[in-house]
Amino acid sequence: KNEVEQSPQNLTAQEGEFITINCSYSVGISALHWLQQHPGGGIVSLFMLSSGKKKHGRLIATINIQEKHSSLHITASHPRDSAVYICAVRGYGNKLVFGAGTILRVKS
Amino acid sequence: DAGVIQSPRHEVTEMGQEVTLRCKPISGHNSLFWYRQTMMRGLELLIYFNNNVPIDDSGMPEDRFSAKMPNASFSTLKIQPSEPRDSAVYFCASSSWSGNEQYFGPGTRLTVT
Repeated sequence: KNEVEQSPQNLTAQEGEFITINCSYSVGISALHWLQQHPGGGIVSLFMLSSGKKKHGRLIATINIQEKHSSLHITASHPRDSAVYICAVRGYGNKLVFGAGTILRVKS
Repeated sequence: DAGVIQSPRHEVTEMGQEVTLRCKPISGHNSLFWYRQTMMRGLELLIYFNNNVPIDDSGMPEDRFSAKMPNASFSTLKIQPSEPRDSAVYFCASSSWSGNEQYFGPGTRLTVT
């Protein structure tokens, strides 16, 4: 079993829909990262969180440490949100372990 | 700031050849990470440095891989000899400290034939 599991693996949504991507992990962590990888391959860090909730524009990330679970929400989705979203957890040794990613496609 | 700079962006080489990938971190960042991304295994940490010192190289696949950081503004990842299974995209990332948000370079797409 992978240390970091993401669901769904693939997601197709209609423009304007509310999107949720889930991440579950099995190890103790010091922080969790959400990354976005564009179709061209570039990787951008969206959030780093160790508790609670963070919001940036239309993106919201939450984490429940007790349940070892995090969610990434996108409100009012847009075709430009189409990308691969990757969850990564950082253990106490500062090493990042990555999920397999969720491929999101938002249709207009 | 120019962000993390990697070179080359694309590299095609023949099996057995030496390959050197280069990275310039963001100025002022003191942690640098090398990652490899493949379809089969996704993103994997190869090695990371704090203040130019290698901290965790447990992800380096084998002795054919080596990484150096001679100063705060430059790092190399070398593969010698290269093999077709090394074909992947190699990312370099830096952060102001190893526990902070990481900034990724554009990646080097390596193809070994």
